Amino acid sequence: DAGVIQSPRHEVTEMGQEVTLRCKPISGHNSLFWYRQTMMRGLELLIYFNNNVPIDDSGMPEDRFSAKMPNASFSTLKIQPSEPRDSAVYFCASSDSNSPLHFGNGTRLTVT
Amino acid sequence: AQSVTQLGSHVSVSEGALVLLRCNYSSSVPPYLFWYVQYPNQGLQLLLKYTSAATLVKGINGFEAEFKKSETSFHLTKPSAHMSDAAEYFCAVRDTGGFKTIFGAGTRLFVKA
Repeated sequence: DAGVIQSPRHEVTEMGQEVTLRCKPISGHNSLFWYRQTMMRGLELLIYFNNNVPIDDSGMPEDRFSAKMPNASFSTLKIQPSEPRDSAVYFCASSDSNSPLHFGNGTRLTVT
Repeated sequence: AQSVTQLGSHVSVSEGALVLLRCNYSSSVPPYLFWYVQYPNQGLQLLLKYTSAATLVKGINGFEAEFKKSETSFHLTKPSAHMSDAAEYFCAVRDTGGFKTIFGAGTRLFVKA
């Protein structure tokens, strides 16, 4: 079991650029979550999917953020255009029906 | 709505001393409760979980937590701290039958030699 795989581990980009974060959940898990972690706000749930369908995106901060899950083994979180205040660590996590979350190692995003 | 409150953003203990990290939750239905640990530059790892079986839950690395419904608490303890326990600890709640897991603000544990 390779665990939840996120890429890239680090991303540095300039304000206004598009950023795409990627996640491969654990095989067999039917739920996928995107979290953002900052010093000021802690861990925030942005969006989650169940069986590839977005269930709750109320945590997505603005229309600049979008997430997709085209199949059971891949999800993306896109920020367009990016802003300095989007700098954070973004985590992807997956689970099956009643199991705890399994987290990836995160993507550290820096927007200059 | 669910919520989690962790008392104390920082806790410092001496090596060999008792570790106590406090967590109180709010949930309208019986919850699942979790403790996670995060080491620098890593994701969160599950320490232990409560899913309505035994109220005293044992986890990895010698940690345990007790679910107290009357106090809506799920405090994390370890009898004897080790230097390797220094990390950030998160309490989390999820409604039974639900998908959403809500995390507390975290408590950073420092262990002094």
